[in-house]
Amino acid sequence: SYVLTQPPAMSVAPGKTANIPCGADNIGTKIVNWYQQKPGQAPLMVIYYDNDRPSGIPERFSGSNSGGTAALTISRVEAGDEADYYCQVWDSSDGHVVFGGGTKLTVL
Amino acid sequence: QVQLVQSGSDSKKPGASVKISCKTSGYTFTSYRLIWVRQAPGQGLEWMGWINPKTGDSTYAQGFSGRFVFSVDTSLGTTYLQINSLRAEDTALYYCARVHVVAATYWFDPWGQGTLVAVS
Repeated sequence: SYVLTQPPAMSVAPGKTANIPCGADNIGTKIVNWYQQKPGQAPLMVIYYDNDRPSGIPERFSGSNSGGTAALTISRVEAGDEADYYCQVWDSSDGHVVFGGGTKLTVL
Repeated sequence: QVQLVQSGSDSKKPGASVKISCKTSGYTFTSYRLIWVRQAPGQGLEWMGWINPKTGDSTYAQGFSGRFVFSVDTSLGTTYLQINSLRAEDTALYYCARVHVVAATYWFDPWGQGTLVAVS
């Protein structure tokens, strides 16, 4: 089965840029979506179709998928960005939805 | 706006059954599939499967066939997750979400607020 690998935790200082990677075999052939989950809340989609933002999501959030790794980039990080972030793809070979294990982002 | 509102937390004994509801509003219920996702305590998101409200057809992820049953009531715009023969390891938060399909890929938005099921 297809596996998405994320670092369990990352930390970043306020105002800096966070790059959260999501690695997998041939991930460049898949479309990656990203979800933010704050403590005690439901997941919220922040990026879909590799790099599209839903309405209401700040422009500080962007996605990329090239060179063998997908990534969620958060520019000018704020304290309110502290959350778990999950990448997700559709594995057409298996007919399954796959979530990464999640990355806990701490804002220092 | 589109909303998914789930039923409240529930506590059950091992071997019992539980039925969680996810009531939708703000869109045509039969136009979008709905997924169920499990989140065990302190763990990540796990896709359980989805249901097509138009046809009633369900797809279950590996490990979620047999004891887990999805259903819909189109008159109420509601989807249900029933878990039979509950085990301690079913203790988790369960989320529903609306499925978007574009070019053979899928993403999920919005999500319900989650329903905690505790089994002990």
